[in-house]
Amino acid sequence: GENVEQHPSTLSVQEGDSAVIKCTYSDSASNYFPWYKQELGKRPQLIIDIRSNVGEKKDQRIAVTLNKTAKHFSLHITETQPEDSAVYFCAGGSQGNLIFGKGTKLSVKP
Amino acid sequence: GAGVSQTPSNKVTEKGKYVELRCDPISGHTALYWYRQSLGQGPEFLIYFQGTGAADDSGLPNDRFFAVRPEGSVSTLKIQRTERGDSAVYLCASSLGAYREQYFGPGTRLTVT
Repeated sequence: GENVEQHPSTLSVQEGDSAVIKCTYSDSASNYFPWYKQELGKRPQLIIDIRSNVGEKKDQRIAVTLNKTAKHFSLHITETQPEDSAVYFCAGGSQGNLIFGKGTKLSVKP
Repeated sequence: GAGVSQTPSNKVTEKGKYVELRCDPISGHTALYWYRQSLGQGPEFLIYFQGTGAADDSGLPNDRFFAVRPEGSVSTLKIQRTERGDSAVYLCASSLGAYREQYFGPGTRLTVT
């Protein structure tokens, strides 16, 4: 089955800097890769996703890149703000169910 | 419109008891998913419904866990003979169909004492 590895587990950046979180997946059949943001005690919120027929997708300060050959995808947050502080999860799948990474705790220092 | 809702928000039960957790998906969403999340971990897939039928139940840990969605809308996750290791937040998500964006509910925090 699918296995999704995520790193780093924690990331601390200064406000205004960029943050990058990377994930790798094992199942070449996976074709859908969403990213979720989860604040403490809250539900995971979808922030961006990418499908395997696209290499990059951008939404304001957030972008995701996908390298199908290498089976890895990354989340890029530019001009970070304190409200970006949360746990971010990557996920991958192909048939409805998603396999999640273990999460990255992002801290943005003002 | 209204998002995914789950009840109860918290459930404390004794080891060996039976519990039911309810999920009300976004109106019109045909696909519904159950995950569970332990502290410090990502959501772990349990089961996925397309309409009334379970399309994939490969994530259910054992036969104490069962889920239904009799009318293709509300779903109930049922856990028999609960164990302390079942303690987690149980998350439900729904989407317009398979391969579409999944939106999560607030979860039910289950504590087995």
